[in-house]
Amino acid sequence: AQSVTQLDSQVPVFEEAPVELRCNYSSSVSVYLFWYVQYPNQGLQLLLKYLSGSTLVKGINGFEAEFNKSQTSFHLRKPSVHISDTAEYFCAVRRDYNFNKFYFGSGTKLNVKP
Amino acid sequence: DTEVTQTPKHLVMGMTNKKSLKCEQHMGHRAMYWYKQKAKKPPELMFVYSYEKLSINESVPSRFSPECPNSSLLNLHLHALQPEDSALYLCASSQASDRMPEAFFGQGTRLTVV
Repeated sequence: AQSVTQLDSQVPVFEEAPVELRCNYSSSVSVYLFWYVQYPNQGLQLLLKYLSGSTLVKGINGFEAEFNKSQTSFHLRKPSVHISDTAEYFCAVRRDYNFNKFYFGSGTKLNVKP
Repeated sequence: DTEVTQTPKHLVMGMTNKKSLKCEQHMGHRAMYWYKQKAKKPPELMFVYSYEKLSINESVPSRFSPECPNSSLLNLHLHALQPEDSALYLCASSQASDRMPEAFFGQGTRLTVV
């Protein structure tokens, strides 16, 4: 079975500062990796995904993530955050496209302060 | 069209009521999901339908009854709920594709049981 660990439940950061949200996963097989963002009282929106190939993936809203197979990590980064980035961020994995189950991390609340 | 549409957005129901949540997608996805999300927690998988057949039931109480009338629609029938069932209920869909394995989420139904 897969599991996903988000090491930080909350990350406070000042506006225009860089941020990294950490995600580690455990799996004995190759997986698909995702980052989702959730604003209050809304659904989850896909930020970016890693399927294969280049380990650096770029997503929406200036976010990017790096897949590190040896460390089984998929950390999310943004070089300069905005107040509007304040939200809950979830890392997720899916084993393969024939297996209809997504495993979510516990979430990281990004709190951007002015 | 990459939308998953959920209705209603908000629902207040008594413990003796019967109500239904509805979800619709027109992306041709053959897997559809119901998740339950409590405040400050990740989405918790309830049910998965694959090709209109129930493929995963995560030991959900029988007061929740899913239904998939066709490949675009997913319902969740609610009966005799408890106050602890109050939560955000999210519908999602995905396809069996190695190029687009991500889940697309609706905006959710905020359910309050009184």
